[in-house]
Amino acid sequence: KAGVTQTPRYLIKTRGQQVTLSCSPISGHRSVSWYQQTPGQGLQFLFEYFSETQRNKGNFPGRFSGRQFSNSRSEMNVSTLELGDSALYLCASSLAQIRETQYFGPGTRLLVL
Amino acid sequence: QQPVQSPQAVILREGEDAVINCSSSKALYSVHWYRQKHGEAPVFLMILLKGGEQKGHEKISASFNEKKQQSSLYLTASQLSYSGTYFCGTEPAGSYQLTFGKGTKLSVIP
Repeated sequence: KAGVTQTPRYLIKTRGQQVTLSCSPISGHRSVSWYQQTPGQGLQFLFEYFSETQRNKGNFPGRFSGRQFSNSRSEMNVSTLELGDSALYLCASSLAQIRETQYFGPGTRLLVL
Repeated sequence: QQPVQSPQAVILREGEDAVINCSSSKALYSVHWYRQKHGEAPVFLMILLKGGEQKGHEKISASFNEKKQQSSLYLTASQLSYSGTYFCGTEPAGSYQLTFGKGTKLSVIP
């Protein structure tokens, strides 16, 4: 069974730009969660999608948004990038509930200059 | 609110044991443990649910004290492959989201 895939793996952007990251969950998984990982803050929850609906949202500004498609693939978008948005963005999928085993993808490393 | 993990870092020799603790100020429904090696994605180790149910790898053991909102991960007879950063994720009752601690860096040396 193929694992969680994320594209692109690396991105360099400049302040003010926007970026879209993609996540394909494990086949059959309907819940997709997104996390931001930085050395200082660790793993921080961004949001979770299930059946194309955002079910939960963390404490991030509205510049961070996401969506989920009917095939469970998910995208997250960050608009008006700031230097502090530089991080590793991880997505994780599970069958249906966030309290089930989360399978993480390799992440997208975003550098904002 | 982030759970608090302790210790922040630990160095072990092969064969030694270690305990990593995770503490929350909120009433929890579940606690999750993951290990992340440098440059890799976090990998699932264990889920502990309120009520006593546990799911995880055979060689990993953990406990969940529901009254104290504390969990501990027990690593016995450590191997070099145990090196990495261990994260606990807590799911407060009714929140349906995971909040991770800042991690415990474990280094196992020969």
